Amino acid sequence: NAGVTQTPKFQVLKTGQSMTLQCAQDMNHNSMYWYRQDPGMGLRLIYYSASEGTTDKGEVPNGYNVSRLNKREFSLRLESAAPSQTSVYFCATSGRTYEQYFGPGTRLTVT
Amino acid sequence: KNEVEQSPQNLTAQEGEFITINCSYSVGISALHWLQQHPGGGIVSLFMLSSGKKKHGRLIATINIQEKHSSLHITASHPRDSAVYICAALPHNFGNEKLTFGTGTRLTIIP
Repeated sequence: NAGVTQTPKFQVLKTGQSMTLQCAQDMNHNSMYWYRQDPGMGLRLIYYSASEGTTDKGEVPNGYNVSRLNKREFSLRLESAAPSQTSVYFCATSGRTYEQYFGPGTRLTVT
Repeated sequence: KNEVEQSPQNLTAQEGEFITINCSYSVGISALHWLQQHPGGGIVSLFMLSSGKKKHGRLIATINIQEKHSSLHITASHPRDSAVYICAALPHNFGNEKLTFGTGTRLTIIP
C-alpha cells in the first residue's frame, strides 16, 4: 500500500502561472485535507473534504481551488500563482479514528 | 494567542537523556495528535489520544483533559530522534475533523 501519495515533489512556477497539485490515497478514508507549511507558522489548513463531492474552506483558502474527484483523489489548483504561495504543501487523510496520515509533501517556489 | 501552544520551541540534549515536550491547549478537545517531522521530510503520526497514556517503543504520550495539557516523552534519546514534534488538537464538536496545530518543537539530540 502506498498510503498517501503526492505529485509533483518539487515545482518552480513564475508569477501568474497555474498548476494542479495531485493527491491520492489507498487507505479508504473519507476525509482529505490540503495544508501549507511555512517557516514559523506551523501547518495551516487550506481546504478540506469530508467525503466525495464535498469541500470546505479552511484557514487560508484564498488563491486556491480544490476538486474531490472521487474517494481516492483530492487535487489543489493554483490558478494564478503568487510569490506568497511559495510553501511546502501537504495532503492528508483521516478515517473513523480522525488520526491524520500525511503525504510526502510538494515543495513549491513561485518566482 | 495560539489555541495550541508547545514548549519548548527548541530543545537540544545529549544522547541518552530523557526528553519531555509539552503541549497546552485552550479549546475543548476530543483528542490530541502528536506528529513527527524529520528535516526536509514528511510528517508521521505518532499518537492520537483522548485520555491517559499511550506508549510506542521509547515514546510515551500522556494527556490530562482537565488541565488541558499533554506531554510527549522520549526515553533513552538517540540522534535519530532529532526532528520537529508537532501537537494538534481535535476539537470537541462531533464531526468537525479540522485539527488545530501547534508550531512545533525542534529537538536536536547530540551524540
